[in-house]
Amino acid sequence: DAGITQSPRHKVTETGTPVTLRCHQTENHRYMYWYRQDPGHGLRLIHYSYGVKDTDKGEVSDGYSVSRSKTEDFLLTLESATSSQTSVYFCAISPGAPSSGNTIYFGEGSWLTVV
Amino acid sequence: KNQVEQSPQSLIILEGKNCTLQCNYTVSPFSNLRWYKQDTGRGPVSLTIMTFSENTKSNGRYTATLDADTKQSSLHITASQLSDSASYICVVSLMDSNYQLIWGAGTKLIIKP
Repeated sequence: DAGITQSPRHKVTETGTPVTLRCHQTENHRYMYWYRQDPGHGLRLIHYSYGVKDTDKGEVSDGYSVSRSKTEDFLLTLESATSSQTSVYFCAISPGAPSSGNTIYFGEGSWLTVV
Repeated sequence: KNQVEQSPQSLIILEGKNCTLQCNYTVSPFSNLRWYKQDTGRGPVSLTIMTFSENTKSNGRYTATLDADTKQSSLHITASQLSDSASYICVVSLMDSNYQLIWGAGTKLIIKP
């Protein structure tokens, strides 16, 4: 298994509070991603990073921000959580771009409930 | 519009039987096609990755095929086991993007003893 650790694994929070999810990797992979998975949808990319301090938006980035100050850590922040952000969040890593055929490895997920 | 469609949505088979899952895609420009297995409550795990020049790729009892002309792929599972119960997701990567993947909705496979 790829060395990916997500924390926390489960969290219940109240609407309007800030939440930070952490992804830590031990593989020294260049690319890191945050996805969310909801019933009826395929995985949807929130943000991704292609290097330290190099990040960009995915298809569902509204309400989310990210930071990557070290190769091994990628943080996802919900500035003011809403019920629509209740979801399972997956961190993923890859050594290079997916278009170059690089395998993407996924973490075990973080279950977030916003009440 | 770039899309990946999978069929069937769900499938139930008996342990030991073979099965084939289908994936049709309308993605351009195409770079590669992936199959993932996702157990309930777990993250997806990569099974195969194929470029347009590859027709077949195997990973143990899993064999993926790709027909780039018809834009179809299949995942064949041989001699199914209870542990094969999972969702199988087809994913296509775009050539001109360093991050974008088009995800199918998945086929939920249940293996019964």
